[in-house]
Amino acid sequence: DGGITQSPKYLFRKEGQNVTLSCEQNLNHDAMYWYRQDPGQGLRLIYYSQIVNDFQKGDIAEGYSVSREKKESFPLTVTSAQKNPTAFYLCASSPDGANYGYTFGSGTRLTVV
Amino acid sequence: QKEVEQDPGPLSVPEGAIVSLNCTYSNSAFQYFMWYRQYSRKGPELLMYTYSSGNKEDGRFTAQVDKSSKYISLFIRDSQPSDSATYLCAMKSQAGTALIFGKGTTLSVSS
Repeated sequence: DGGITQSPKYLFRKEGQNVTLSCEQNLNHDAMYWYRQDPGQGLRLIYYSQIVNDFQKGDIAEGYSVSREKKESFPLTVTSAQKNPTAFYLCASSPDGANYGYTFGSGTRLTVV
Repeated sequence: QKEVEQDPGPLSVPEGAIVSLNCTYSNSAFQYFMWYRQYSRKGPELLMYTYSSGNKEDGRFTAQVDKSSKYISLFIRDSQPSDSATYLCAMKSQAGTALIFGKGTTLSVSS
């Protein structure tokens, strides 16, 4: 079955540490996205990539980094520079243009301890 | 003014009620409109998709787009406890590179 896999489902990080969230898709979609979801804030775009080896900052990119070395993979690194990283992170993908919406992964809950 | 406004609720209704969920938007260039359903601690799933103005029906769900008023709606008929979730509207212009989401409305259907 085609879909998007995010791992791990739950992640705990100590303050000052970097952590990488995995996102893999087998839908052959060109575009991939990372969103952060906080209570009362909705979905906020962190980074997106429309093609391999290229990506753009979203609305809240500070303290995050990404790579897109393969079409199937779009990992997100939450760096120690991100001041409030505790959140629910969602990865999504779409065919080029996203005019018909995204397919989302099941999310990763990151907690800083 | 935010690009997309959505009342967060919560909205509580009894089983069998008709539910109306709404979003307003400010960007007249939006042409693609979607509704997503998100269960707690899960990823959103695409529920309804509409291009430009008009209505679309799928089972108990009807999506409406009124571009002249910059207003979209999702109606749920004969609501069920399994409809309890957060509903997110999303939209996009032809030139846009990513969806713009509302903040979501939390719906609770009691049996």
